[in-house]
Amino acid sequence: SYELTQPLSVSVSPGQTASITCSGDRLGHKYVSWYQQKAGQSPVLVIYQDTVRPSGSPERFSGSNSGNTATLTISGTQTMDEADYYCQAWDRTTAVFGTGTRVTVL
Amino acid sequence: QLKLQESGPGLVRPSETLSLTCNVSGGSITDTYDYWGWIRQPPGKGLEWIGSIYYSGSTYHNPSVQSRMTVSVDTSKNQISLKVTSVTAEDTAVFRCVRHKISASGTGHWFDLWGRGIPVTVAS
Repeated sequence: SYELTQPLSVSVSPGQTASITCSGDRLGHKYVSWYQQKAGQSPVLVIYQDTVRPSGSPERFSGSNSGNTATLTISGTQTMDEADYYCQAWDRTTAVFGTGTRVTVL
Repeated sequence: QLKLQESGPGLVRPSETLSLTCNVSGGSITDTYDYWGWIRQPPGKGLEWIGSIYYSGSTYHNPSVQSRMTVSVDTSKNQISLKVTSVTAEDTAVFRCVRHKISASGTGHWFDLWGRGIPVTVAS
């Protein structure tokens, strides 16, 4: 089965840039979405189709996808961005989620 | 404003069948080209997609759980449902209902609307 691998954790200082990677075989040939999940809440979509921000997603969130790696970038990270982040792709007829990355803002 | 609300038992005994329902309010599930699905999350762990269904009954299912988990739709009630047979402690999780969007090309799939989720514990 298809697998997506993310780093367990990423730490970033307020105002700096955080980059979260998502790796999978030939991932650049698939569309990737990203979800933010704050403690005790349901996930929220922040990026879909690699680079598209849904209505309500802050401009500081951006995405890219090439080769075997997709990246979610948070520019000017704020304390409110502290959360778990999951990537997701579609493989044949199945949705696959990444292992998840905890972003700590300190 | 479209809303998804899950309902069902919070506690199920091992080997029994779990049945969950997701009520869609604020719009009809037949009005769009969207699918509607279920995603679960065990305590302290990541997300696992279970399956999605179109109002016509067309489905996508996760092959790793397909043998025990079935998604169905009731357009008259504007609801989708999930049935999980032969539950074990490993099925303990928060189950969430989602709207499953698909790009015009059919290659992009994402989940843009999530319910609050219902926690389900499997224990005797």
